Amino acid sequence: DTGVSQDPRHKITKRGQNVTFRCDPISEHNRLYWYRQTLGQGPEFLTYFQNEAQLEKSRLLSDRFSAERPKGSFSTLEIQRTEQGDSAMYLCASSLRDREAFFGQGTRLTVV
Amino acid sequence: RKEVEQDPGPFNVPEGATVAFNCTYSNSASQSFFWYRQDCRKEPKLLMSVYSSGNEDGRFTAQLNRASQYISLLIRDSKLSDSATYLCVGNTGGFKTIFGAGTRLFVKA
Repeated sequence: DTGVSQDPRHKITKRGQNVTFRCDPISEHNRLYWYRQTLGQGPEFLTYFQNEAQLEKSRLLSDRFSAERPKGSFSTLEIQRTEQGDSAMYLCASSLRDREAFFGQGTRLTVV
Repeated sequence: RKEVEQDPGPFNVPEGATVAFNCTYSNSASQSFFWYRQDCRKEPKLLMSVYSSGNEDGRFTAQLNRASQYISLLIRDSKLSDSATYLCVGNTGGFKTIFGAGTRLFVKA
């Protein structure tokens, strides 16, 4: 499978715990995006990387969120001290420059 | 004002109908535009790119109006399988890729 893959697909965690999600983009894609989506809403931009550089981070992203893309390959998104409001689908996408983005199947986070 | 705005719908149409969605964008620097389709609890999937000259793919036609800053999607001869949420997307010169909130379409038999 040469598409975007995300792991895990589902995560249930207790409030206050830290969680980390992984995204493996399409291999030749230099751009990688993270989005968050809640029911009835479109994907909400969180951050994006061009190669290993994190070029933009949404103002909506609190200091509890951090993303990395070491070596410009896979990326991780960490949420520290999770809150119930963090419950959402976290989507990763990759693209070649400004061409169309391809999405992974997402990680559904439930904070209880 | 949101960077990309869509009518959330829902649009309820019978099979065989023609339906059109519009999407407006606020950033005149936006250079690339796309329509994505998203089924319930699935990831968005690219439906088609949008070019200034307009483009057509089977029953789907997309158009871009830069002067008025909107893009449109026309679906002809609607099928039950077209029921989904349609997301319009603007890409600001290769930087952020911004999604609209989506327009829900229900096609009824």
